[in-house]
Amino acid sequence: RKEVEQDPGPFNVPEGATVAFNCTYSNSASQSFFWYRQDCRKEPKLLMSVYSSGNEDGRFTAQLNRASQYISLLIRDSKLSDSATYLCVVNENNDMRFGAGTRLTVKP
Amino acid sequence: GAGVSQSPSNKVTEKGKDVELRCDPISGHTALYWYRQSLGQGLEFLIYFQGNSAPDKSGLPSDRFSAERTGGSVSTLTIQRTQQEDSAVYLCASSFAGALTDTQYFGPGTRLTVL
Repeated sequence: RKEVEQDPGPFNVPEGATVAFNCTYSNSASQSFFWYRQDCRKEPKLLMSVYSSGNEDGRFTAQLNRASQYISLLIRDSKLSDSATYLCVVNENNDMRFGAGTRLTVKP
Repeated sequence: GAGVSQSPSNKVTEKGKDVELRCDPISGHTALYWYRQSLGQGLEFLIYFQGNSAPDKSGLPSDRFSAERTGGSVSTLTIQRTQQEDSAVYLCASSFAGALTDTQYFGPGTRLTVL
C-alpha cells in the first residue's frame, strides 16, 4: 500500500464548479500536512497547509481527519487557472511523502 | 529575492556514466532536500540536510546515489553508473529551518535522461 494515496483523476470540470480531492495516508504518526500545486513541467508550489481544525483560503478549503487518516481539498467557483496537478503531502519528522497527484482541468 | 536554483536544467547521459546535479538553496535556509519525480509519479524523497547535522539518507534508492552539501549552502547530488531507471526530474527544495511547518521552496528541477 502506498504511504500517500490520491485519486489520479483526471477531474474535468466546467468553470464555476466545485471540486473536491481526497488523500489518504498510512502513517498515523504523521505530523503535518500540505497541499501543493504543480503546473505542467513546473516545480511544486505550496498551496496551503492543512490544520486540524480545517482552514480556508479564499476559494480553497482544506480539512484533516486524523481518525480516518485523510485530507481533503475543496475548490469552489473553479477558474481556468486552477488547472494543475494537486499534490497531497504528509510530513513525519521532515520525511516528506508526496502523493502522485490529482490532475484537474477546468474548462470554459 | 532569488529562489532555489538548480543546474543543469536538462542532462542527457549514456548508461553507465556518472552525473552531478547542483542545487543552490535560498540564502539563509538551513534545510535542503532532494527529491525525484518520475513520469506520472509523485515526488520521492531522497535525502535531507539540516545545518551541519549528518544528512538523512534514508530515501536514497541505492549506493550509486550520494549527495553532499558544502559550507551549509550549495548541494551536489551525484549518481554513479547511471541506469535508465534513473531518468526522472530531480528537484531540490530548501526551507528556513527545517521545522515541520516550514514551507519548502522548490527549484525548477533537473530533467535527467539516461539513454
